[in-house]
Amino acid sequence: DTAVSQTPKYLVTQMGNDKSIKCEQNLGHDTMYWYKQDSKKFLKIMFSYNNKELIINETVPNRFSPKSPDKAHLNLHINSLELGDSAVYFCASSTQWGGNTGELFFGEGSRLTVL
Amino acid sequence: GENVEQHPSTLSVQEGDSAVIKCTYSDSASNYFPWYKQELGKRPQLIIDIRSNVGEKKDQRIAVTLNKTAKHFSLHITETQPEDSAVYFCAPKDSSYKLIFGSGTRLLVRP
Repeated sequence: DTAVSQTPKYLVTQMGNDKSIKCEQNLGHDTMYWYKQDSKKFLKIMFSYNNKELIINETVPNRFSPKSPDKAHLNLHINSLELGDSAVYFCASSTQWGGNTGELFFGEGSRLTVL
Repeated sequence: GENVEQHPSTLSVQEGDSAVIKCTYSDSASNYFPWYKQELGKRPQLIIDIRSNVGEKKDQRIAVTLNKTAKHFSLHITETQPEDSAVYFCAPKDSSYKLIFGSGTRLLVRP
């Protein structure tokens, strides 16, 4: 009965490789997000989709490409991995976009280590 | 864009004491002010939030106060317990509806 689940939980790979992280939510939420948390614990938004439509695309290298096949899924593909991409990537969802509300429900995180 | 500052960055208190963490923001159109708790190795989770038409909200040992004029809001934890030890993040919602996370406060409650 996991609300927001992401796979894999751990990913260790070499520089230059391509990798994907998958995320699924069973909460019926309209909006999904990718956040990056670096080693200093800063949580920074990367992308957001509302009903499969991209609504936030922060200043992220175009090696990062999100994809939302339906509103319950948001995947993240990363090309040509670099050392600086090492971080924990959190998927999250919320009921809706906008307004004065919007609790984020986070997945468990995917720890990416680039060697 | 929204500028968010959180203080202090670390806080160590004796069990039973109170803890206060302050968050300042720059976007005067911000209208939603949540606090998240992240235990070691876990996901961030919402612990309390407040909307801009309310000055204070309390939930058992935790409370949030908002000063919209001064553009800051604070998290108050009373009667702290060791399980309160975690990193706490404020995350005001800016005028483009993004939650902008502060840099985090590491709270340590000493038994």
